[in-house]
Parts: sequence; structure tokens; C-alpha cells
Amino acid sequence: AQKVTQAQTEISVVEKEDVTLDCVYETRDTTYYLFWYKQPPSGELVFLIRRNSFDEQNEISGRYSWNFQKSTSSFNFTITASQVVDSAVYFCAMRSSGTYKYIFGTGTRLKVLA
Amino acid sequence: EAQVTQNPRYLITVTGKKLTVTCSQNMNHEYMSWYRQDPGLGLRQIYYSMNVEVTDKGDVPEGYKVSRKEKRNFPLILESPSPNQTSLYFCASSPGKGEQFFGPGTRLTVL
Repeated sequence: AQKVTQAQTEISVVEKEDVTLDCVYETRDTTYYLFWYKQPPSGELVFLIRRNSFDEQNEISGRYSWNFQKSTSSFNFTITASQVVDSAVYFCAMRSSGTYKYIFGTGTRLKVLA
Repeated sequence: EAQVTQNPRYLITVTGKKLTVTCSQNMNHEYMSWYRQDPGLGLRQIYYSMNVEVTDKGDVPEGYKVSRKEKRNFPLILESPSPNQTSLYFCASSPGKGEQFFGPGTRLTVL
């Protein structure tokens, strides 16, 4: 069975600190996609990134970076120099190729304090 | 403007009274999906549709129905709502492999 685990329920950091949000997934499929979404206090869901299982290159987008490691089944998300606007709930998700069945983690609430 | 719309945004109803939450997208996406979000449980997929007249169950389909008669619309039907269906519901659409575009959410309370 497929599963996505976000063990960190809530994290609090002070502005300008770096923070890493963990995501561990389980699947027997060889081809799959991993995602991160952000849900700010306003409630909408915002897409951040998609990663294919055959592409283990890490990715950086401004202050955001993602570390995909198939060996540990992890797809961690790091925010560098956090800002108050980064305060949100972050969801990690997975989908296998050939299906549109998505599995989401339970989310990590990030609080960035000024 | 490219968007996914849901109606109503808020709904309070009573047990057993049939209701429909509408979802519409204007991006010509083939894929659409419904989720519910509950505290501590994250987002759970209810149903999804890969194209017109093609739907399949997600992880929590019990008590829900869907239909996809047109590409742009994907309504969620609760034939006999119960209090355990009180939740925040999101509709989403996607062109395929990439991101899902989510609607603004519908907060449903069943008394």
C-alpha cells in the first residue's frame, strides 16, 4: 500500500532560521511523482513542486530547495532564511504513474515568528 | 482567468438532506478530483475522474457520489449526509502529469 508520512506535526522557528520539512513515502511502484503543496492561513492550496521518481536531482527555487533521495524514500523540503510569510501548512503528496490516485501526508504546520 | 470554482463556499445542513457541491474548471483539464480535509488527517481523495464519463474511487468514497457528464464540471453529491461528513472539501483539476489546481474549498457542516 502507498503511504506518505510527515512526522512533524508542527514546527516553530524564528525568522531567518533555516527549516527542513520531512516527507517519507512508501510505494512498490517504480514510476511515481512526488509533490509539495502549501496551504497558507487563507486556506487555498498552492502547488510548489513536482518530482519524477527517475529524476533524483535536487532542486532550488529561491529560498526553497528540495532533496529527493530514493534510497531513503524521502523528499524533504528546506526553506532557507525563513520569513513570516512562509507560515503555512505544507503537504507532501505522491501519485503513481498510470493513475490519478493521490496520497497526501497529514501536513506540517510551520510557524515563523518575527 | 484560469480557475477552479466551487459552490457553495459554506453550507450548513441537516442529516439526511441531499446536497450537491458543484465544481467547475475553465482550463480544459481532463483530470478532476475531490478531496476532504480534516484536522490531523490531511487531504484524502474521495473520487477522481480522468475524463468525461470516467470516474474512480479514491481513499474515502463511502457516502459520496460523483458524475462527469461534461469536461468542465465535476459535482460532488451527498445523497444522505451524516455528521461525519462535516469537513472542508476541495475540488481540483489537472492537465495531466503536473500540478493540480485547487478550488477555494467548501466548508460543510452536517448537523
